[in-house]
Amino acid sequence: DAKTTQPNSMESNEEEPVHLPCNHSTISGTDYIHWYRQLPSQGPEYVIHGLTSNVNNRMASLAIAEDRKSSTLILHRATLRDAAVYYCIQEGNQGGKLIFGQGTELSVKP
Amino acid sequence: DTEVTQTPKHLVMGMTNKKSLKCEQHMGHRAMYWYKQKAKKPPELMFVYSYEKLSINESVPSRFSPECPNSSLLNLHLHALQPEDSALYLCASSQGRRGKSPLHFGNGTRLTVT
Repeated sequence: DAKTTQPNSMESNEEEPVHLPCNHSTISGTDYIHWYRQLPSQGPEYVIHGLTSNVNNRMASLAIAEDRKSSTLILHRATLRDAAVYYCIQEGNQGGKLIFGQGTELSVKP
Repeated sequence: DTEVTQTPKHLVMGMTNKKSLKCEQHMGHRAMYWYKQKAKKPPELMFVYSYEKLSINESVPSRFSPECPNSSLLNLHLHALQPEDSALYLCASSQGRRGKSPLHFGNGTRLTVT
């Protein structure tokens, strides 16, 4: 199964941008990159996903390296409600098989 | 509130009991999932149903038995569990299209096996 690696934890200040990195060195040309986050006492929540190009939505931006072996989730202005565990997931050819990595616990300081 | 509803929210059961976890969605999704999550760990995929047929079983022990009676409902039948099976059990659903269908998760059932 595809494995991603992320830092265990990161800290950010409120209202500042946050860049959350992910390595997926075994990625193949057709694997998608997904990001989910999990707030305390809740199920995971979809954030964003992409294949090759950078992606933007109302929650975040996803920057994918040219060689696709890494990606970065960008929260443009962190709020206290963004404190969560962020998971980077590599989706292979077996559709529906989303295997979560260890995740990055993001704390946001006021 | 989430669009995927799981019941019960909490469950305590003995090792000889039989119980079931239930999951329901009304988004018209055709794929449904069971994940297991231990404390401070990422969710682990257990089962995937696609169009009401089991498409992925991640070598889960037979004491966990999934069932998908229709496209809106997903059950997980539990029998002869062990204390180490205590965890948060998460259900999710999606449209089932690879790379195009985000998973929508419920808030889980917290199971304690005594």
